[in-house]
Amino acid sequence: QKEVEQDPGPLSVPEGAIVSLNCTYSNSAFQYFMWYRQYSRKGPELLMYTYSSGNKEDGRFTAQVDKSSKYISLFIRDSQPSDSATYLCAIPFNTNAGKSTFGDGTTLTVKP
Amino acid sequence: DAGVIQSPRHEVTEMGQEVTLRCKPISGHNSLFWYRQTMMRGLELLIYFNNNVPIDDSGMPEDRFSAKMPNASFSTLKIQPSEPRDSAVYFCASSPGQRQTQYFGPGTRLLVL
Repeated sequence: QKEVEQDPGPLSVPEGAIVSLNCTYSNSAFQYFMWYRQYSRKGPELLMYTYSSGNKEDGRFTAQVDKSSKYISLFIRDSQPSDSATYLCAIPFNTNAGKSTFGDGTTLTVKP
Repeated sequence: DAGVIQSPRHEVTEMGQEVTLRCKPISGHNSLFWYRQTMMRGLELLIYFNNNVPIDDSGMPEDRFSAKMPNASFSTLKIQPSEPRDSAVYFCASSPGQRQTQYFGPGTRLLVL
């Protein structure tokens, strides 16, 4: 069982669309969350992180946390073909979990 | 900084052979992680080292898998004997501290025939 569960996808959208990527988490004690982006045949890399207190915006990307429903979301505005990748939500690693702290990932394709 | 370095990038081997994957973490990072990624199971944590000491190996699938970290700049993941179901992409990641951002290497694509 994973600490974070992610909408599986895949997701295909036209260029310029707004994209919503979603995860749920199990432990209300988590204080912050991360989104990693993984391009094809590359390792994941941190895209952005957000604390459990609300939203964080970085350019076209917005990370949002809803503590009441234990829901985290990543929104991409004006999506571009270069955004095509797999997006993984994650919680900070903790040794008590003994489990991967990454979601399974949602693969996004943005078509020109 | 060169980032996390993994070798080899690709490995094709036959069932029963020994496979050794190598990782050089980012200098100064004291946490190192080995992951396996497949379409079916996603990104699975295999083992976690802190200051070169294995802390959590509960994700290692079975005794055929072993990992070592003889010093702060080098780690290996060994599979002996390898099986076709071990085919996956194996990632090494390092971080400045246990709960901080993990920096991933490019991965090793392993195919066991």
